[in-house]
Amino acid sequence: QVQLQQSGPGLVKPSQTLSVTCAISGDSVSSNSAAWNWIRQSPSRGLEWLGRTYYRSKWNNNYAVSVKSRITINPDTSKNQFSLQLNSVTPEDTAVYYCARGDIGIDSWGQGTLVTVSS
Amino acid sequence: QSVLTQPPSVSAAPGQKVTISCSGSSSNIGNNYVSWYQQLPGTAPTLLIYDNNKRPSGIPDRFSGSKSGTSATLGITGLQTGDEADYYCGTWDSRLNGGVFGTGTKVTVL
Repeated sequence: QVQLQQSGPGLVKPSQTLSVTCAISGDSVSSNSAAWNWIRQSPSRGLEWLGRTYYRSKWNNNYAVSVKSRITINPDTSKNQFSLQLNSVTPEDTAVYYCARGDIGIDSWGQGTLVTVSS
Repeated sequence: QSVLTQPPSVSAAPGQKVTISCSGSSSNIGNNYVSWYQQLPGTAPTLLIYDNNKRPSGIPDRFSGSKSGTSATLGITGLQTGDEADYYCGTWDSRLNGGVFGTGTKVTVL
């Protein structure tokens, strides 16, 4: 049974960098059959897929067009976790951020982190 | 913002059936598997259906999924008060090269 535990600040100032980490138990970030995603949810934007990282002989990333210039998702094999960094945030980036495992079907979700962008 | 379109709400009496549609295009639903998620208030979504019509273990057969062309449908039979939630479809979009979700549908049990 995979479990995903998120951690990160709940308040970020405009123009700064949002960072959230997802610790994995019950699976490996280096798994050849899993993908590790970041998804956010807000009343104005609904559920929005942000990107993913996955290992298939080498590390790969896919990012949503809407955030591609500002996002980085990195795996950390030493700690079996992965992280989200979103640069130059604005109040529009205020949302609940979820980490999640899955490819087409997302079968495990973190508990969610409410991140508010405000000065 | 969402690429996939769902009705905002559906409702029915306990024991009845509801269906939720999810409309997309050839770059997403038309050529990729569809998943469905249930989100109870204040919680993360959970997977109900994957690969168009498969149920993860523990999901009752009251929930079913189907796909035809560029649309998909979630069916819920024997509606229960515990089914009141928001439901989302999701898939991959080959043109965007990214995941996409539906606009979400609120199910109300009358």
